[in-house]
Amino acid sequence: NAGVTQTPKFRILKIGQSMTLQCTQDMNHNYMYWYRQDPGMGLKLIYYSVGAGITDKGEVPNGYNVSRSTTEDFPLRLELAAPSQTSVYFCASSGVYEQYFGPGTRLTVT
Amino acid sequence: TQLLEQSPQFLSIQEGENLTVYCNSSSVFSSLQWYRQEPGEGPVLLVTVVTGGEVKKLKRLTFQFGDARKDSSLHITAAQPGDTGLYLCAGRSNNDMRFGAGTRLTVKP
Repeated sequence: NAGVTQTPKFRILKIGQSMTLQCTQDMNHNYMYWYRQDPGMGLKLIYYSVGAGITDKGEVPNGYNVSRSTTEDFPLRLELAAPSQTSVYFCASSGVYEQYFGPGTRLTVT
Repeated sequence: TQLLEQSPQFLSIQEGENLTVYCNSSSVFSSLQWYRQEPGEGPVLLVTVVTGGEVKKLKRLTFQFGDARKDSSLHITAAQPGDTGLYLCAGRSNNDMRFGAGTRLTVKP
């Protein structure tokens, strides 16, 4: 099993550009999450999904959008990138309790 | 304001020492997880505690969930340099997961 995979690993965006961060899991988990982690901080929940077709806002959803058309995929969309979105983004999936994290995407907006 | 407060924020100790880190909240959680994260990687789950008062041991690590399910502690016995990392607690309430800011542990040889 690959677990949770994320692409790209690194990306530099100019202010106002858009991009999609990809996340795929092969564990047949219903729950999936997107977090951002700023330097020296813990993780903040952006969006989560409890199953295909269902998404909900987390703690810091502004500036982001998600979709969940399949169980496996949970892409995160940035429409108009801003410097405040410079961060490391982690995708995770979970069964009942445990969360499994992807390796992260390091995004810089300049 | 963090929903989950972790303390201390930083901890630097010598190999062989014992340590305890804390995770406190005013909210009740249905479960609480502890993770360890190394630079450039995603967090890796160490343990999940579910029942108030629960104690779990994982080799030299002892995890405790408070009776009211609002707080937790992680105790490491005879710390080793390999224990160095960022320790994160996370609480689940319904479908929402919230993380603390972490305790950055350094164990010097």
